[in-house]
Amino acid sequence: GAVVSQHPSWVICKSGTSVKIECRSLDFQATTMFWYRQFPKQSLMLMATSNEGSKATYEQGVEKDKFLINHASLTLSTLTVTSAHPEDSSFYICSASGRGADTQYFGPGTRLTVL
Amino acid sequence: RKEVEQDPGPFNVPEGATVAFNCTYSNSASQSFFWYRQDCRKEPKLLMSVYSSGNEDGRFTAQLNRASQYISLLIRDSKLSDSATYLCVVNSWGKLQFGAGTQVVVTP
Repeated sequence: GAVVSQHPSWVICKSGTSVKIECRSLDFQATTMFWYRQFPKQSLMLMATSNEGSKATYEQGVEKDKFLINHASLTLSTLTVTSAHPEDSSFYICSASGRGADTQYFGPGTRLTVL
Repeated sequence: RKEVEQDPGPFNVPEGATVAFNCTYSNSASQSFFWYRQDCRKEPKLLMSVYSSGNEDGRFTAQLNRASQYISLLIRDSKLSDSATYLCVVNSWGKLQFGAGTQVVVTP
């Protein structure tokens, strides 16, 4: 089956630093990747959708200059949280889907803690 | 109003019993529906799709009522391993809208 990996699985950083999270599709070409955020006891919220080779589409209320998304290849998308603050602490999950496919395959998530 | 609403629970279920719960969605134009399972501090995993005619997968039965805009999940013969949070997910124009989840705790 389709496998999506994320790295790192968890990260602790100081306030003001930037953190990069990688999302890889290991055995299929992911034309579209999605980035979600989940706060404790809340639902997953879509942050942005990225298509390979084009700019990401951000959901309302998500700052594109703060959450930089790059989808440079069919197997890799990155999310960079710039100048992270404690309120950015959350569980970040990516998902990927192939060309013309409806199903999204989820990565294992990255738990970010900003001190 | 949230796009997808669920009773957060927890539903405490004795092992072997049946448990059922619903979710409601607000977008009548939603095209497809799913139940996902999420274990503590893990990513969601697809449990089953939900079809208008209702569908079953082993001990799990899902129903969709488009007129009333709700989806249900029934778990029969509950196992300890069924303890998890069950997420109701609605696909609207390629975007997945997640409910906050219903927690199920199966007790020995």
